[in-house]
Amino acid sequence: GAVVSQHPSRVICKSGTSVKIECRSLDFQATTMFWYRQFPKQSLMLMATSNEGSKATYEQGVEKDKFLINHASLTLSTLTVTSAHPEDSSFYICSARDRGQRGYTFGSGTRLTVV
Amino acid sequence: GNSVTQMEGPVTLSEEAFLTINCTYTATGYPSLFWYVQYPGEGLQLLLKATKADDKGSNKGFEATYRKETTSFHLEKGSVQVSDSAVYFCALNHNTNAGKSTFGDGTTLTVKP
Repeated sequence: GAVVSQHPSRVICKSGTSVKIECRSLDFQATTMFWYRQFPKQSLMLMATSNEGSKATYEQGVEKDKFLINHASLTLSTLTVTSAHPEDSSFYICSARDRGQRGYTFGSGTRLTVV
Repeated sequence: GNSVTQMEGPVTLSEEAFLTINCTYTATGYPSLFWYVQYPGEGLQLLLKATKADDKGSNKGFEATYRKETTSFHLEKGSVQVSDSAVYFCALNHNTNAGKSTFGDGTTLTVKP
């Protein structure tokens, strides 16, 4: 079945630095990738929709200059958290749809801790 | 807009007990419905899905039936195991639009031996 590989799985960074999270679709082309974040004991909240070759669409309240999304190819989308602060500490997870399937495949998630 | 309401947790059961986690939804049209499971420290995994009314999704002993008349998709398992301890999310999406998934708040299940 469709697999989305997400890296890194865990990252600890210092305040003010930037962190890049990658999601790769294996064995299928992901024209659209969704990025979510999940705070402790809460559900997933959609941050942005990433479309290959075009600018991402951000949900209301999500800072596009802080959360940079790049979707340069049909198999790779990246989320960069710029100038990270402790309040950005969260679980970030991507999902993509294989055109031949209904439903979406999720990456394994990245737990970001900003210290 | 779309919304998903899940039974509040946490839920604690003894091994081999019967499990029900309620899920109801609000949506226009005919969404697809999903249950995802998140084990401690891991990402979401699709547990089961149903794409039209009266469909039953099943996997690993879990079942859920898409009930359009009651807008529900309750998750059930006849005999839970300790290894079923996880957070369960009910979700919906429409394949006809951008396909954004709407999630419930999640229900934490703990199964004790």
